[in-house]
Amino acid sequence: AQTVTQSQPEMSVQEAETVTLSCTYDTSESDYYLFWYKQPPSRQMILVIRQEAYKQQNATENRFSVNFQKAAKSFSLKISDSQLGDAAMYFCAYSLSGGSNYKLTFGKGTLLTVNP
Amino acid sequence: DAGITQSPRHKVTETGTPVTLRCHQTENHRYMYWYRQDPGHGLRLIHYSYGVKDTDKGEVSDGYSVSRSKTEDFLLTLESATSSQTSVYFCAISRGTGGSNQPQHFGDGTRLSIL
Repeated sequence: AQTVTQSQPEMSVQEAETVTLSCTYDTSESDYYLFWYKQPPSRQMILVIRQEAYKQQNATENRFSVNFQKAAKSFSLKISDSQLGDAAMYFCAYSLSGGSNYKLTFGKGTLLTVNP
Repeated sequence: DAGITQSPRHKVTETGTPVTLRCHQTENHRYMYWYRQDPGHGLRLIHYSYGVKDTDKGEVSDGYSVSRSKTEDFLLTLESATSSQTSVYFCAISRGTGGSNQPQHFGDGTRLSIL
């Protein structure tokens, strides 16, 4: 079974600085997807970024980027120019590609605090 | 807004009572999911559906049942609620086309407390 590990239960960053959240996963598959979701205090689950395993290029979305290391099974999230609105719980998630009913396996989350 | 409505948003009930949570979507997506979120566990899959009347178990399905009689509605039932089922429940939907995993979109969650 696939597992996702987020080793940092909590992180903090100063406003305008850069922070990196770690995620590792375990799978024997070669074709899969990885996601970062953000959950602010409102409890909404918001998709931040998505990476397809067969793509070597790291995904980016504005101030958010990932460092995808397939051989190391590592998928970290970098937030640049951190803003107060980035404060949230961040979840890393894995999904097997096609034919798997697209189920998500989540890590336990990293709580990010942004200090003014 | 992905067009997902969960009801109720909050519920308090007693041990041993039946509880049904509803997820309604307006997107006509094929896949629907129920997760529970507990501190220290992240989100864990309870059950999912890949079409009308097509459902399967997730990793924490004991004590839960589901039904999907229409594309737009996915019901989660706790036949006899227990305190260990106190949690926040999320519904999610996905178009899930071919080999390109469309991301799941989530409802706003239902906070369920069982006393």
